[in-house]
Amino acid sequence: DAGVIQSPRHEVTEMGQEVTLRCKPISGHNSLFWYRQTMMRGLELLIYFNNNVPIDDSGMPEDRFSAKMPNASFSTLKIQPSEPRDSAVYFCASGAPLNEQFFGPGTRLTVL
Amino acid sequence: AQKVTQAQTEISVVEKEDVTLDCVYETRDTTYYLFWYKQPPSGELVFLIRRNSFDEQNEISGRYSWNFQKSTSSFNFTITASQVVDSAVYFCALSVGYNQGGKLIFGQGTELSVKP
Repeated sequence: DAGVIQSPRHEVTEMGQEVTLRCKPISGHNSLFWYRQTMMRGLELLIYFNNNVPIDDSGMPEDRFSAKMPNASFSTLKIQPSEPRDSAVYFCASGAPLNEQFFGPGTRLTVL
Repeated sequence: AQKVTQAQTEISVVEKEDVTLDCVYETRDTTYYLFWYKQPPSGELVFLIRRNSFDEQNEISGRYSWNFQKSTSSFNFTITASQVVDSAVYFCALSVGYNQGGKLIFGQGTELSVKP
């Protein structure tokens, strides 16, 4: 089992550009979570899906952020347009039964 | 509302010392799960343990042990005979509901530094 796969691992972009982060969850898991980690705010949930349906997006900071899960094996988190304050590590987690979550390696985003 | 508090921001110990990381949680739900994750300098989040609200038995795994006390809403983590490789940020987290793929609410983390 390859675990949760995220790409890219690092992304450096300029303010105003569109950024797309990708996640492949563990096969058979029916929940997927996007978290963001910053020094100031720690680890915070952005959005999560259950059976490909968005359940709670209350953590999405603003309309510039959007997430999709077109099928059980793929999800994207898009930021458009990006701003320097979006710089963070973005984690995708795959949800197993009993609320257990396995995290991907993260994408370190830097917006200049 | 749910909340997790890790009052210790940083802890520094010398190798072979025992160290306890504190975690206090708040929830009105009767069914919930508690977790500990480790984040080493490489950045990944490593799952360490899950505990459900109906099981207050303490658990030991090698040098790691966990003390869950509902009466004080605490889920503390002890490393016995610490090693340099234990240096990391440790997060306590809470998830409510049962088997619903519920979101994790994280504490702010405790940075543990183990010096040789």
